[in-house]
Amino acid sequence: DAKTTQPTSMDCAEGRAANLPCNHSTISGNEYVYWYRQIHSQGPQYIIHGLKNNETNEMASLIITEDRKSSTLILPHATLRDTAVYYCIVRVAYTGNQFYFGTGTSLTVIP
Amino acid sequence: NAGVTQTPKFRVLKTGQSMTLLCAQDMNHEYMYWYRQDPGMGLRLIHYSVGEGTTAKGEVPDGYNVSRLKKQNFLLGLESAAPSQTSVYFCASRRTGNTGELFFGEGSRLTVL
Repeated sequence: DAKTTQPTSMDCAEGRAANLPCNHSTISGNEYVYWYRQIHSQGPQYIIHGLKNNETNEMASLIITEDRKSSTLILPHATLRDTAVYYCIVRVAYTGNQFYFGTGTSLTVIP
Repeated sequence: NAGVTQTPKFRVLKTGQSMTLLCAQDMNHEYMYWYRQDPGMGLRLIHYSVGEGTTAKGEVPDGYNVSRLKKQNFLLGLESAAPSQTSVYFCASRRTGNTGELFFGEGSRLTVL
């Protein structure tokens, strides 16, 4: 599975959009991009995933560049409860059984 | 619906002791995983299973053994605990298919003295 690179930490003002970048320059054509987050010491929580097209759900939006070498997770209106560590993962479609989390980005939402 | 349940949630061991962590899921998921998380670190995959009776090594398998005798249970064993195995352990499961998301348990905090 491709490696990912994320900033170690980011701040965001409450109510503003939080944009979390992820580089995955060695991604292959059949690898999906997944995002998870971990609040405090809880188990990670699934947010969203995508292959080529941009995706949106009730939690966030995922923007994947045309060359698929990077992506951005967007939390449209960050709240204090969005303070967490965010992990970007790439995984091979169908046969990729292993999810490698890395160290993620620690997002702090500031009042 | 309990989801993924880990037992015990806390345990203190002495060096050299053995123990087993139990992960149980009630979602009929095929895949199950064990991760460890050290302070300030991300999650590292220890072992995983793609179905009953099958297991495979992850990133950091040394010092651990696993078994998947029943589809709903995934056991993680430490035969001779070492202080380096002090960590928080997370179990996860997911269904088959390309878009199956991981569901995590609440974690088990293990301290080896």
